[in-house]
Amino acid sequence: GESVGLHLPTLSVQEGDNSIINCAYSNSASDYFIWYKQESGKGPQFIIDIRSNMDKRQGQRVTVLLNKTVKHLSLQIAATQPGDSAVYFCAENIVGNQFYFGTGTSLTVIP
Amino acid sequence: EAQVTQNPRYLITVTGKKLTVTCSQNMNHEYMSWYRQDPGLGLRQIYYSMNVEVTDKGDVPEGYKVSRKEKRNFPLILESPSPNQTSLYFCASSFGYSPLHFGNGTRLTVT
Repeated sequence: GESVGLHLPTLSVQEGDNSIINCAYSNSASDYFIWYKQESGKGPQFIIDIRSNMDKRQGQRVTVLLNKTVKHLSLQIAATQPGDSAVYFCAENIVGNQFYFGTGTSLTVIP
Repeated sequence: EAQVTQNPRYLITVTGKKLTVTCSQNMNHEYMSWYRQDPGLGLRQIYYSMNVEVTDKGDVPEGYKVSRKEKRNFPLILESPSPNQTSLYFCASSFGYSPLHFGNGTRLTVT
């Protein structure tokens, strides 16, 4: 299957700082990408998505950037809060409802 | 409340004893899928279903069975569990070309 990789397995940030979580994908045919947040003991929760006809999309405190040239995806979290501590996954969709997931980055917010 | 419900949340069993993990969604989603999550490997797809009576293998289907007799239910069956199937399992569903909704997981231990 397709592999989706993350540059860093762990990330620690001070409360109030901005966080950036990166993801590399390898299939240039991928046209839909999603970021998920997974808190301990819970299933992944949808954060934000982006389609390949866009290079940036903003939500509440989160922004996803897509660079198709280098096949790179990033999630930016503004003013990181303790409740943002979790594991973050990127997922790429190639066809239909089939997604491939990265291994995740563990974000720790230091109060 | 829109949700994907898995049962049980925790299960400890012995090698060879057949078990079923249930999954139910109340969102009328056509697509449902099972994943396993292992440290360092991320989420890997076991089986998926595009609609009632339509199922297909994912990346790691060996040792698992599924059925989709009704739209809302998608049980995962382990006919003869083995220790290498000890993992955290997630069921997910979606409608069309949209993000997956995940259950809260089933932690299975096979001794």
